[in-house]
Amino acid sequence: GNSVTQMQGQVTLSEEEFLFINCTYSTTGYPTLFWYVQYPGEGPQLLLKVTTANNKGSSRGFEATYDKGTTSFHLQKASVQESDSAVYYCVLGDRGSNYNVLYFGSGTKLTVEP
Amino acid sequence: GGIITQTPKFLIGQEGQKLTLKCQQNFNHDTMYWYRQDSGKGLRLIYYSITENDLQKGDLSEGYDASREKKSSFSLTVTSAQKNEMAVFLCASSRGGNNQAPLFGEGTRLSVL
Repeated sequence: GNSVTQMQGQVTLSEEEFLFINCTYSTTGYPTLFWYVQYPGEGPQLLLKVTTANNKGSSRGFEATYDKGTTSFHLQKASVQESDSAVYYCVLGDRGSNYNVLYFGSGTKLTVEP
Repeated sequence: GGIITQTPKFLIGQEGQKLTLKCQQNFNHDTMYWYRQDSGKGLRLIYYSITENDLQKGDLSEGYDASREKKSSFSLTVTSAQKNEMAVFLCASSRGGNNQAPLFGEGTRLSVL
């Protein structure tokens, strides 16, 4: 079956520090991989997506590389801001369903202190 | 731009009650989804629909019914609310097909007394 693992439930950083959120996945075939971000009181919104193995996606200073060898899709940002505080979800899109059924990790709550 | 509207935003129910949540989208998207969000567990798929009158079960469909009478709307029914249940139900839509990233509404927050 499909699954996504995010081991870090919470991450606390100071502004301008480096962010790394770990994500690994399990599936058959070649999924599409996403990072979604959720701010309080809102639904999740797309941060970035990568459709091809070994490619990198980036948006708003965040980057993630689709590594098929290690089945990982870690999220990084060189310098975080207080406004980046949110919950980040690593997400696998099941191409087998052809309708992009999404499988979410458990989420990582990022708190950035001024 | 389009929008996904979920009603109600907050829903308080009684144990055993049947409760209905509604979702409307004006993106003209073919595929719509219902996800449940529990604290610390991410989102889990309840139902999705690839076109009007179609229904597909997700991993969490037991205890729920869904209905897609029109392309623009997708409703979810909790058939018997469980005591002390608290969750957020999120509706999403997408054009369908590979590589599309579903767009989400703001959610309906359910509390059962």
